[in-house]
Amino acid sequence: NAGVTQTPKFQVLKTGQSMTLQCAQDMNHEYMSWYRQDPGMGLRLIHYSVGAGITDQGEVPNGYNVSRSTTEDFPLRLLSAAPSQTSVYFCASNPRPPGQPDRRNEQFFGPGTRLTVL
Amino acid sequence: AQSVTQLDSHVSVSEGTPVLLRCNYSSSYSPSLFWYVQHPNKGLQLLLKYTSAATLVKGINGFEAEFKKSETSFHLTKPSAHMSDAAEYFCVVRSYSGTYKYIFGTGTRLKVLA
Repeated sequence: NAGVTQTPKFQVLKTGQSMTLQCAQDMNHEYMSWYRQDPGMGLRLIHYSVGAGITDQGEVPNGYNVSRSTTEDFPLRLLSAAPSQTSVYFCASNPRPPGQPDRRNEQFFGPGTRLTVL
Repeated sequence: AQSVTQLDSHVSVSEGTPVLLRCNYSSSYSPSLFWYVQHPNKGLQLLLKYTSAATLVKGINGFEAEFKKSETSFHLTKPSAHMSDAAEYFCVVRSYSGTYKYIFGTGTRLKVLA
């Protein structure tokens, strides 16, 4: 298994540009999520999905869209990039949503995408 | 809603000495708690988790954490630090506010001195 993969690893955008960060997992996990990591703030949840066709907002959803047309893929779209969106973005997947018993419900993270918006 | 507080943003220890990374949680019910490690320019890796079984949880790489309900703490420890332990560590709680989510602490950066 490749686990959770993210592309690109690095990206530089100009203010106002749009782009899509790709995330894929090959573990047949139901739950997928996007976080952004900023210094001194830990990871904050942007959007999540409990299965194909179902998405919902997290803590910091403004300026981002997601879709989940297949179990494997969960792309994150920046509609009009702003400097405040400069961050490191992590995609994660779990076998089941967090409300399910945790004993075997480990969260797997991708390697991250470092985004700079000028 | 549940939350976690990591009490130290930076911790420095000498190689071979004990490591203590502190985490306090707030929760109105028995929480699920996790520790993750992030090495420089890498993703996050699960170290260990507490899910209402044994209060002393052993993880990978010699780390362990003890759930103390009376102190609302879940501190991460290791008897002897290794240079390869230098990384950022995140304490995480599973939170419920209408739906379940994972809430991350702000992180503790561990430096190991030779």
